[in-house]
Amino acid sequence: GESVGLHLPTLSVQEGDNSIINCAYSNSASDYFIWYKQESGKGPQFIIDIRSNMDKRQGQRVTVLLNKTVKHLSLQIAATQPGDSAVYFCAENIRTGTASKLTFGTGTRLQVTL
Amino acid sequence: DADVTQTPRNRITKTGKRIMLECSQTKGHDRMYWYRQDPGLGLRLIYYSFDVKDINKGEISDGYSVSRQAQAKFSLSLESAIPNQTALYFCATSDTNLEDEQYFGPGTRLTVT
Repeated sequence: GESVGLHLPTLSVQEGDNSIINCAYSNSASDYFIWYKQESGKGPQFIIDIRSNMDKRQGQRVTVLLNKTVKHLSLQIAATQPGDSAVYFCAENIRTGTASKLTFGTGTRLQVTL
Repeated sequence: DADVTQTPRNRITKTGKRIMLECSQTKGHDRMYWYRQDPGLGLRLIYYSFDVKDINKGEISDGYSVSRQAQAKFSLSLESAIPNQTALYFCATSDTNLEDEQYFGPGTRLTVT
């Protein structure tokens, strides 16, 4: 498959356990954050998003937490499954006037062991 | 059928050659984007288009050009390819705002020798 990052930080989790993937963002003006999942050989796929006026948002088996004080974002995956193995990216959106810019992080590789 | 398609999926070309990467979408989105992905650097925006008459440079547009032939088509050209343009290239679309969910194509792996 495609190699999207030869030297990515890697998180190994046993099947059934919960996973927590962390992301630090740089700009306190960021108003919107997104988590993407990228499987080998595929393009990034939207998982969940959160706006800066929230500190938590839940989806199906996933929760995103936002701590604006320390500019930190995390993605929690409950009951991790083999199909969750992928590279996960956070992205921050910064709006200046009518323009927006989406900046992606470098990614974390999640490996699910049986 | 895939909503966002890219052609070719893989391409090897020589330094100095002109190459075009094509992207088509069936989502009816106005906004389209081209990114490149390099190991350890994440996704970086090359160009984006908010509609057929609107083209904007991203953070790394040097050495690239784009054409928005129709709402559904957005192509990326390398006029004279160089080895450091070897990367994975992704096309994406979104509905209204940049912060809306972006839908990515499967990517094109380009190697410049």
